[in-house]
Amino acid sequence: SQQGEEDPQALSIQEGENATMNCSYKTSINNLQWYRQNSGRGLVHLILIRSNEREKHSGRLRVTLDTSKKSSSLLITASRAADTASYFCATEFEGGYQKVTFGTGTKLQVIP
Amino acid sequence: EPEVTQTPSHQVTQMGQEVILRCVPISNHLYFYWYRQILGQKVEFLVSFYNNEISEKSEIFDDQFSVERPDGSNFTLKIRSTKLEDSAMYFCASREGLHSNYEQYFGPGTRLTVT
Repeated sequence: SQQGEEDPQALSIQEGENATMNCSYKTSINNLQWYRQNSGRGLVHLILIRSNEREKHSGRLRVTLDTSKKSSSLLITASRAADTASYFCATEFEGGYQKVTFGTGTKLQVIP
Repeated sequence: EPEVTQTPSHQVTQMGQEVILRCVPISNHLYFYWYRQILGQKVEFLVSFYNNEISEKSEIFDDQFSVERPDGSNFTLKIRSTKLEDSAMYFCASREGLHSNYEQYFGPGTRLTVT
């Protein structure tokens, strides 16, 4: 399977704590993207990391990519109640240049 | 900031009816996509479209589905004879180019309910 798989499936933390979500995939990629989805709503693009990059930051978000382990992590620092959502990694596979393939997602709950 | 728009936001239809879901991609984008998400499940790729033709489709995208870019701005997904299992959120996406720097921009989705 070429799918990304996130873990944990669900994560519950207190406001102010950091949240870390992981994504693993199986074949070589062009890039990996993280999206957020509030319950029943649209997909919000958070960050894209290319296969030749190892780390990227955007505000309170930090994404790492380890192509040797075929894994990525998304760290949200100083979480807020508004960060409560599902987070998906989506991979674009090498040679594909077309669709992205979504993982199963991590449901994050930030308790105020 | 430019964004992908979709209409309607929610469509209710009876089994066997035809539906057309509409999308307006970002204006300088060349590659267009449809995805769907059945409630509680992950987002699944349906079809990609470039230069007025389908470039890739998944096994979900059977003969009941079709896509069209009828003019310079709209991108539509038609389901010819809807089934109960077509109930899902349908997302349109577009991207500017195929370089790995280019992300896909997703629309807000159309929730399709087939009764």
